[in-house]
Amino acid sequence: DAGVTQSPTHLIKTRGQQVTLRCSPKSGHDTVSWYQQALGQGPQFIFQYYEEEERQRGNFPDRFSGHQFPNYSSELNVNALLLGDSALYLCASSLAGVGGSRYFGNGTRLTVT
Amino acid sequence: GQQLNQSPQSMFIQEGEDVSMNCTSSSIFNTWLWYKQEPGEGPVLLIALYKAGELTSNGRLTAQFGITRKDSFLNISASIPSDVGIYFCAGQGNAGANSKLTFGKGITLSVRP
Repeated sequence: DAGVTQSPTHLIKTRGQQVTLRCSPKSGHDTVSWYQQALGQGPQFIFQYYEEEERQRGNFPDRFSGHQFPNYSSELNVNALLLGDSALYLCASSLAGVGGSRYFGNGTRLTVT
Repeated sequence: GQQLNQSPQSMFIQEGEDVSMNCTSSSIFNTWLWYKQEPGEGPVLLIALYKAGELTSNGRLTAQFGITRKDSFLNISASIPSDVGIYFCAGQGNAGANSKLTFGKGITLSVRP
């Protein structure tokens, strides 16, 4: 049973570019949450998707957007990249009503130069 | 964004020793969670606590949900080298079972053989 999988594992982008990160939830899970983890910090909640809609959002600008597909997988898009967007982006999956964000993927390390 | 309070930032202990970490918040949480993160990996759930006053064990790990619902602690007994990693606390609020997690900054644990 595959856990939460994320791709790519590492990514280098230039300031001003756009990036798309991908996440496949753990089998049987229908809810995906995204977190940003800056170096030396704990994860910060970006947003959560359930039934292909954004259900909750943290304190992140509109440059951060997402999508959930019918198979429950999800994408995180970041436009107009800033140097400060460099971080580890984590995806967590859960089953609605059972408990939130218990299982995390290994993340995508984004470096913006 | 809001983060829970974890200190010190780093702890150094001798193999075989016990260690305690605590986590405090200015806000009430309905669920407290403790995660461990190792280099290149996402956070892995160690213990989840669902009721004020609850004391839960997972092998050599014991965690408690504070009575005020504003704090939690984690104890690791008889530490071993593989306990090395970053330990995060996380709180989950009132918005339902799938509400976002708020994390602390983490405590880096080093174990000397």
